[in-house]
Amino acid sequence: DAEITQSPRHKITETGRQVTLACHQTWNHNNMFWYRQDLGHGLRLIHYSYGVQDTNKGEVSDGYSVSRSNTEDLPLTLESAASSQTSVYFCASSTGAEQYFGPGTRLTVT
Amino acid sequence: AQKITQTQPGMFVQEKEAVTLDCTYDTSDQSYGLFWYKQPSSGEMIFLIYQGSYDEQNATEGRYSLNFQKARKSANLVISASQLGDSAMYFCAMLTPIQFYFGTGTSLTVIP
Repeated sequence: DAEITQSPRHKITETGRQVTLACHQTWNHNNMFWYRQDLGHGLRLIHYSYGVQDTNKGEVSDGYSVSRSNTEDLPLTLESAASSQTSVYFCASSTGAEQYFGPGTRLTVT
Repeated sequence: AQKITQTQPGMFVQEKEAVTLDCTYDTSDQSYGLFWYKQPSSGEMIFLIYQGSYDEQNATEGRYSLNFQKARKSANLVISASQLGDSAMYFCAMLTPIQFYFGTGTSLTVIP
């Protein structure tokens, strides 16, 4: 069955370190998204991609970057982790309307 | 500016009763989509229902229906015959040509 996976599921890192969260989907969807979820804010869009080599900034993109070298993967990189980036991160993919979400990665920056 | 507003942080409903979760949205786009997602305590995001801005009929999916009032810019979720397993966070979301926006969510608790 097609699916979308995220790794790691839990990560603790120190302030200032570079961190990369992986997202892999086997739906063959062109569209992929990264969100962060924080209490009181719901889900906020970080970056999104509508195809290979395409990346776009979302609502809260500062401090994050993505690259899309193939259809299946959209890794999210925190260039220099900050405590404000402690959150739960969700990856999603879609062909158009409905988005399929990954299980989430809980990131703690100490 | 807030694109999606969910004004009910928490809701309670008796088992087997119907409940309406409110959602209003703000966009100047003519083409957009409205969604509802469920997030149980386990954390995964589960798609429930979708309504396109040009759809004339309200969307329905089993016990879920979306009460779409375009002029009022509202897209309320109606859950009929609530079940204990419906206890969860519910998020309203909007897809525009530019981005995907989520509301802050409503926590629904179903009381036996």
